Amino acid sequence: DTEVTQTPKHLVMGMTNKKSLKCEQHMGHRAMYWYKQKAKKPPELMFVYSYEKLSINESVPSRFSPECPNSSLLNLHLHALQPEDSALYLCASSQDRAVGNTIYFGEGSWLTVV
Amino acid sequence: AQTVTQSQPEMSVQEAETVTLSCTYDTSESDYYLFWYKQPPSRQMILVIRQEAYKQQNATENRFSVNFQKAAKSFSLKISDSQLGDAAMYFCAYFIIQGAQKLVFGQGTRLTINP
Repeated sequence: DTEVTQTPKHLVMGMTNKKSLKCEQHMGHRAMYWYKQKAKKPPELMFVYSYEKLSINESVPSRFSPECPNSSLLNLHLHALQPEDSALYLCASSQDRAVGNTIYFGEGSWLTVV
Repeated sequence: AQTVTQSQPEMSVQEAETVTLSCTYDTSESDYYLFWYKQPPSRQMILVIRQEAYKQQNATENRFSVNFQKAAKSFSLKISDSQLGDAAMYFCAYFIIQGAQKLVFGQGTRLTINP
């Protein structure tokens, strides 16, 4: 089972709202990732968690707040977003951050900020 | 810095024919990993094939194979017997080993399959 599940699939939020994107995997993976993908562009890395600790923050604005409550779950808390933050947000996981481990992606959450 | 270049924004092929998608990369590392991912309209990124740079043998997965030319820093994907379900955006990706340890993607190639 190589499944990464993301909810919700679609989210529309106002600029003053607080919402969260959720990601879950049951493959026993210890590394989890958030990527942002704008239309017709490749995914861009936002955050990496390794063994539930934040390993990489690619200079993401603080209005995006990641959380890893346990080894299976990864959340992305959203607050005071801007319309330009509208994008597909992809969660991914891998066995760990060892070199070359395959990264498995979820189907993404479409976010629209109005 | 490592960069990945896909020079073909769009490609099309007749069903059952063979198509090759090109990818070049720039790196100073001697050991690294390369991947091809497929992103169909459903938007899920699906791993197609991976190649370890220390392996001289080209990776193959059923109808998908790569032509890995390390000296030329080239990593092309060949799809044989193209099927309608192969229609997707294809991303070439490089795994940075030193430092960041992250995946860097090319800009993608949109592949259309003509029936």
